[in-house]
Amino acid sequence: EIVLTQSPATLSLSPGERATLSCRASQSVHSYLAWYQQKPGQAPRLLIYDASNRATGIPARFSGSGSGTDFTLTISSLEPEDFAVYYCQQRANWPPLTFGGGSKVEMK
Amino acid sequence: QVQLVQSGAEVKKPGSSVKVSCKASGGSFSDYYINWVRQAPGQGPEWMGRIIPMVDTTNYAQKFQARVTITADKSTSTAYMELSSLRSEDTAVYYCAKERDDGVERMEFFDYWGQGTLVTVSS
Repeated sequence: EIVLTQSPATLSLSPGERATLSCRASQSVHSYLAWYQQKPGQAPRLLIYDASNRATGIPARFSGSGSGTDFTLTISSLEPEDFAVYYCQQRANWPPLTFGGGSKVEMK
Repeated sequence: QVQLVQSGAEVKKPGSSVKVSCKASGGSFSDYYINWVRQAPGQGPEWMGRIIPMVDTTNYAQKFQARVTITADKSTSTAYMELSSLRSEDTAVYYCAKERDDGVERMEFFDYWGQGTLVTVSS
């Protein structure tokens, strides 16, 4: 089973700042990694798929990069609605499909 | 627009079973790959399994293989997840989710989710 480790656990930033989140895989997942955003009481929302492709309707301030075992989600300039928890997920080697433990972006 | 609507919250006793439904609308249900993902309080999501309604094929996470059954009723566009031998650690929000398919490639990422069903296991 591929383990995804996300860091940092919590990131405290102000609106307008840049957020950089990391996801590290226990073995190569090639580019088969997605990022989701989750707000309290809501289901996760797909942001990025296959490491760097924005899902439908996702603003350009969200970008993904990386391949192999190291991946990054960048939010170029935080909007108030971006404060949430972010998860990565791999589909390279399954079952099971696996998710990371999450990174919370909180307002400073 | 695809919509997945799940059944309501459940409270169950340890050792019992729960069956959660997920009704799809807005597309061709037979073409969907419906997955079930759960999320315990304060934890990340955890994949349980999936079904391909067109061919009634299922895949399960080994962790749940002995206790979970995922089915689909094409006539009502509804998928079901039944979890047996419930214990307190199964208390979680259970989601159904559809795999992304842009007509060119289908991938095991989830672009549509149900609203979630809270299952509480308590004596």
